Amino acid sequence: NAGVTQTPKFQVLKTGQSMTLQCAQDMNHEYMSWYRQDPGMGLRLIHYSVGAGITDQGEVPNGYNVSRSTTEDFPLRLLSAAPSQTSVYFCASSYSGYESYNEQFFGPGTRLTVL
Amino acid sequence: RKEVEQDPGPFNVPEGATVAFNCTYSNSASQSFFWYRQDCRKEPKLLMSVYSSGNEDGRFTAQLNRASQYISLLIRDSKLSDSATYLCVVNKGTNTGNQFYFGTGTSLTVIP
Repeated sequence: NAGVTQTPKFQVLKTGQSMTLQCAQDMNHEYMSWYRQDPGMGLRLIHYSVGAGITDQGEVPNGYNVSRSTTEDFPLRLLSAAPSQTSVYFCASSYSGYESYNEQFFGPGTRLTVL
Repeated sequence: RKEVEQDPGPFNVPEGATVAFNCTYSNSASQSFFWYRQDCRKEPKLLMSVYSSGNEDGRFTAQLNRASQYISLLIRDSKLSDSATYLCVVNKGTNTGNQFYFGTGTSLTVIP
């Protein structure tokens, strides 16, 4: 099993550009989520999904879109990149979001810089 | 007010020392609690879940106090390999699924 994979590992964008961060998992997990990690702020939840076709907003959703067309994939789209979106982005997955003690497995992260 | 608050440290302790981290959470309806470990520039990984009765895993002991809304992690006989950032995580839970909130992390360096 590859676990949770994320691409790209690094990305530099100019203000106003759009891009999609890819996330895939091969563990048949229903629950997937996206976080951003900034110095002094910890990880903050952007969007999450409890299954294919179902997504919801987390703590900091503005400027980001998600979709979940398959169980395996959960891409994160930046609509118009801003310097404030410079961060490290982690994707995570776990078994059903309704089982509160399920372990979350994280991808290796995408380091994004917006100039 | 932040959902989860942790002392960021840093904690610098000698090998063999005992060190304790605390974390407080603001939502009394929070459902589940965890400690994750994050090495420099790596992804977080689950260290242990924290149950109401308290639980132990080798040198690590986690405690939950729901009345005071705090969680603790005790590391005994610290090893150099314990150097990392420790993240307190709380699952608030909603009717559409879980929502996990992370503390900012506590940095630990174990010194030879």
